[in-house]
Amino acid sequence: SYELTQPLSVSVALGQTARITCGRNNIGSQNVHWYQQKPGQAPVLVIYRDSNRPSGIPERFSGSNSGNTATLTISRAQVGDEADYYCQMWDSSTVVFGGGTKLTVL
Amino acid sequence: QVQLVESGGGVVQPGRSLRLSCAASGFTFGTYAMHWVRQAPDKGLEWVTLISYDGSNKYFADSVKGRFTISRDNSKNTLYLQMNSLRAEDTAVYYCARERRGGESFDYWGQGTLVTVSS
Repeated sequence: SYELTQPLSVSVALGQTARITCGRNNIGSQNVHWYQQKPGQAPVLVIYRDSNRPSGIPERFSGSNSGNTATLTISRAQVGDEADYYCQMWDSSTVVFGGGTKLTVL
Repeated sequence: QVQLVESGGGVVQPGRSLRLSCAASGFTFGTYAMHWVRQAPDKGLEWVTLISYDGSNKYFADSVKGRFTISRDNSKNTLYLQMNSLRAEDTAVYYCARERRGGESFDYWGQGTLVTVSS
């Protein structure tokens, strides 16, 4: 079982906004990071420390974290954004990943 | 540019051992903490272990504690994962990943190496 709860799947219409959540009690007090993984490829960091974008990640990707939910938001969704997305945090010197969310762009 | 290249995967029988390597280039390897993360077929990501930049601190997931060891040779820019007493549930793609400066997240990943534990 995963200590970080993500929906199995999220669908979004082309050009609209997708929101992927990551839940855990009081997650807002921790730093949360997000990865995008396309089939057959290694994960790519898209958001670190709740809301920071690494260089090369489009501004369409943003993040927030408060209370019991962290959220990855993808604005103006494109077909190329279809992928699995994972949240991640630290917990007592170990690393925890969410179960992953498959994003489909319709 | 930063590169991480894993090797050493393959098919191994239950109970046997295997050692994975991760060759790093394009950055000062000896100044970064490094991790191994695995992904079972059609499953999510699972963190396995981490080693501090100088090898002095190591942490393991409960699922591999006592069976896997992590080490590094900073003179060779190489990370290792020694896997003993392998089980079917260890079957996965194993990725090495660099911990981002400032900690907590992984900014570079290798392409992964597949380990299959089967009789």
